[in-house]
Amino acid sequence: AQTVTQSQPEMSVQEAETVTLSCTYDTSESDYYLFWYKQPPSRQMILVIRQEAYKQQNATENRFSVNFQKAAKSFSLKISDSQLGDAAMYFCAYQHSGYALNFGKGTSLLVTP
Amino acid sequence: GAGVSQSPSNKVTEKGKDVELRCDPISGHTALYWYRQSLGQGLEFLIYFQGNSAPDKSGLPSDRFSAERTGGSVSTLTIQRTQQEDSAVYLCASSPRLAEVRNEQYFGPGTRLTVT
Repeated sequence: AQTVTQSQPEMSVQEAETVTLSCTYDTSESDYYLFWYKQPPSRQMILVIRQEAYKQQNATENRFSVNFQKAAKSFSLKISDSQLGDAAMYFCAYQHSGYALNFGKGTSLLVTP
Repeated sequence: GAGVSQSPSNKVTEKGKDVELRCDPISGHTALYWYRQSLGQGLEFLIYFQGNSAPDKSGLPSDRFSAERTGGSVSTLTIQRTQQEDSAVYLCASSPRLAEVRNEQYFGPGTRLTVT
């Protein structure tokens, strides 16, 4: 079974600074997808960024980028120029072939002014 | 366009009662997923519907849990004889048909179930 590990239960960053959230996973598959989802207090899960395992290039979405290390099975999220609205729970998730998402336990991100 | 909607937003029920939770996926999405989010267990997959195929029920925690999807659209998750450990947020997600985006799941706001 695939497992997703987020080793940082809580992280804190100052506004305008950069923060990196860690995620590792375990799988025997070669074709899969990785995601970062954001969940603010409203409970709505919002897709932040996705990465296809067959792509070597790291995905970027505006201030969000990932460092995907396939051999190391590592998938970290970097948030640049942090904003107060970035405060939320962040979940790393693994998916194989259109199937259900396998989530990590989450990292709570606090953004301080 | 409209996103995934879920009702009710919050539900309080007494132990032993049955509850029904509803999910309206994004129009045209062929895949529908139910997840449960609880403090102790994090986010857990419950059940998966894909088009007209038989659902994957491998995540359902007990036979008190069931789900159906009518007409390939609306889905209902039913929990019979609720227990306190069923208290959680139940999230629904749907996924589009297009091959290049089929793996992206769009979530609803969830239903918070409290069993007293």
